[in-house]
Amino acid sequence: DVKVTQSSRYLVKRTGEKVFLECVQDMDHENMFWYRQDPGLGLRLIYFSYDVKMKEKGDIPEGYSVSREKKERFSLILESASTNQTSMYLCASSFGSRLGRGGEQYFGPGTRLTVT
Amino acid sequence: GESVGLHLPTLSVQEGDNSIINCAYSNSASDYFIWYKQESGKGPQFIIDIRSNMDKRQGQRVTVLLNKTVKHLSLQIAATQPGDSAVYFCAETIQGGSEKLVFGKGTKLTVNP
Repeated sequence: DVKVTQSSRYLVKRTGEKVFLECVQDMDHENMFWYRQDPGLGLRLIYFSYDVKMKEKGDIPEGYSVSREKKERFSLILESASTNQTSMYLCASSFGSRLGRGGEQYFGPGTRLTVT
Repeated sequence: GESVGLHLPTLSVQEGDNSIINCAYSNSASDYFIWYKQESGKGPQFIIDIRSNMDKRQGQRVTVLLNKTVKHLSLQIAATQPGDSAVYFCAETIQGGSEKLVFGKGTKLTVNP
């Protein structure tokens, strides 16, 4: 079974703090993704990575950065947390589509971040 | 950009009834579609997928129908149970051409006992 784990289920941070969200997958997937999910807005892609040290901006990258130093780990960084970054953050991983496989993404359980 | 949308944001059914959740997509080049289920407080889980060379695929109590002519996708759940209560998302992509999925906004299914 594919397993995608996220470092925290719940986080409470203060405005201006630097926040790290960690994600680990155990299926040797090439691709990893960070989404945020807000009521009425669905899943919005923040960043994704298709290989180690490679990253691409998604639809809403402002205020976020990412790091992928190892294939199994993808970190989302909020450089200076703000209240409008209060949200559910979901990590996902998938095989690379150029390999002719899947496209199917496997999700972690999510981290509910509150910024006060 | 093109996106996947849903006809109804909420659906309420009686336990034991069949449920049908609909999805419209706009990118005619999409060739792979997935349905996800997201229970409260959890991440989305894969339910079933379908490729564009098929028009129907069945799983355990679930069936996905694809109508490429009108760019419509549906998820049918037979004998709906309280445990089926969740938000259901459709997603589309182009295999071999994109690493990303385009998600619909979701339909919330409530099963009444």
